[in-house]
Amino acid sequence: NAGVMQNPRHLVRRRGQEARLRCSPMKGHSHVYWYRQLPEEGLKFMVYLQKENIIDESGMPKERFSAEFPKEGPSILRIQQVVRGDSAAYFCASSPGLLNNSPLHFGNGTRLTVT
Amino acid sequence: DQQVKQNSPSLSVQEGRISILNCDYTNSMFDYFLWYKKYPAEGPTFLISISSIKDKNEDGRFTVFLNKSAKHLSLHIVPSQPGDSAVYFCAASVGDMRFGAGTRLTVKP
Repeated sequence: NAGVMQNPRHLVRRRGQEARLRCSPMKGHSHVYWYRQLPEEGLKFMVYLQKENIIDESGMPKERFSAEFPKEGPSILRIQQVVRGDSAAYFCASSPGLLNNSPLHFGNGTRLTVT
Repeated sequence: DQQVKQNSPSLSVQEGRISILNCDYTNSMFDYFLWYKKYPAEGPTFLISISSIKDKNEDGRFTVFLNKSAKHLSLHIVPSQPGDSAVYFCAASVGDMRFGAGTRLTVKP
């Protein structure tokens, strides 16, 4: 499967624990985007990364959330000390480069449930 | 800051009729517009797009119209089929991509 791979598909965490969501972009894609979909809401942009660089993190909450896209390995979205409000579906998308009139390709998401 | 808006959360249409989904945007810098379709428990799937230099793009049963002066985008599906039932997201891009809140389309047999 050469598509965007996200794991785990489902993640359950207790309040105060850490959540790590992983995203492997499509082969040949060096740009990764993270979006969050809260229940009954649309896709909210969180962060845009290129290999080893954060390009735009204007949608990321200032505290507890961080993202990285190392030279080797998947992109990681990390949520520390999770709260119930973090329960959502988190989608990753990738592109081969700058969005120059080309669509994003999405993974199937990680559904985070905080109990 | 909601730069892309879909004001209709849901739409119900009879099979065979036309579905029209609407989208408005506020940022005049957007130069590329897209529609995505999303089924439950899956990621959004790209459907159709249009560049800001055009006002219409057609692909089979799907047509996207762009009115730059009104900052308005629409997706027409004709004829609608029950398999088209999904949530449709409008998106706009300049550098990164912003999405609307989605419209849930139900096509009744």
